[in-house]
Amino acid sequence: ETGVTQSPTHLIKTRGQQVTLRCSSQSGHNTVSWYQQALGQGPQFIFQYYREEENGRGNFPPRFSGLQFPNYSSELNVNALELDDSALYLCASSLSQGSYGYTFGSGTRLTVV
Amino acid sequence: LAKTTQPISMDSYEGQEVNITCSHNNIATNDYITWYQQFPSQGPRFIIQGYKTKVTNEVASLFIPADRKSSTLSLPRVSLSDTAVYYCLVGDAGSARQLTFGSGTQLTVLP
Repeated sequence: ETGVTQSPTHLIKTRGQQVTLRCSSQSGHNTVSWYQQALGQGPQFIFQYYREEENGRGNFPPRFSGLQFPNYSSELNVNALELDDSALYLCASSLSQGSYGYTFGSGTRLTVV
Repeated sequence: LAKTTQPISMDSYEGQEVNITCSHNNIATNDYITWYQQFPSQGPRFIIQGYKTKVTNEVASLFIPADRKSSTLSLPRVSLSDTAVYYCLVGDAGSARQLTFGSGTQLTVLP
């Protein structure tokens, strides 16, 4: 059984650019969520996808968008990057929405300069 | 979503039992209590979940009093590798679509 894998592990972008982060869910998991974790803070919920549909969103602007594919892998896209977008972006998958048994990936460390 | 309060940091020594208490005065009837562990540059890892009384697994125990307004995560005989941030979360496990993390408790285990 493979866990949640995220790519890339690190990247540096310039303010105003766009970025795409990728996540492969744990085998058999049909729900994926994305979180942003700033240094020294707990993760903050961005949104959740269930069977390719967004079904929950946190307090993030529309320039944060996502996709879930038929194989349940997922992407997080961020447009018009700002310096405050620098953070660890975490992907978590679960067997179903509403389950607290989430499995997290190790994250992508995004630095915006 | 019920708000949680936990100590910012705790220190312990190897081999000791560590208890981290979390307050959640506004917990709702359908809410479960869940604890996650996070190491630097890694995602949080599920430790334990409970509704009432006591839950034990191979890693930890979770004690929940009858009023459910607080809970205590107990880590037996900690080692240096238990140094991490521990998060207490409260929510309806049956319908919650998001996990709400606070700032967590930084546990440092000293030799």
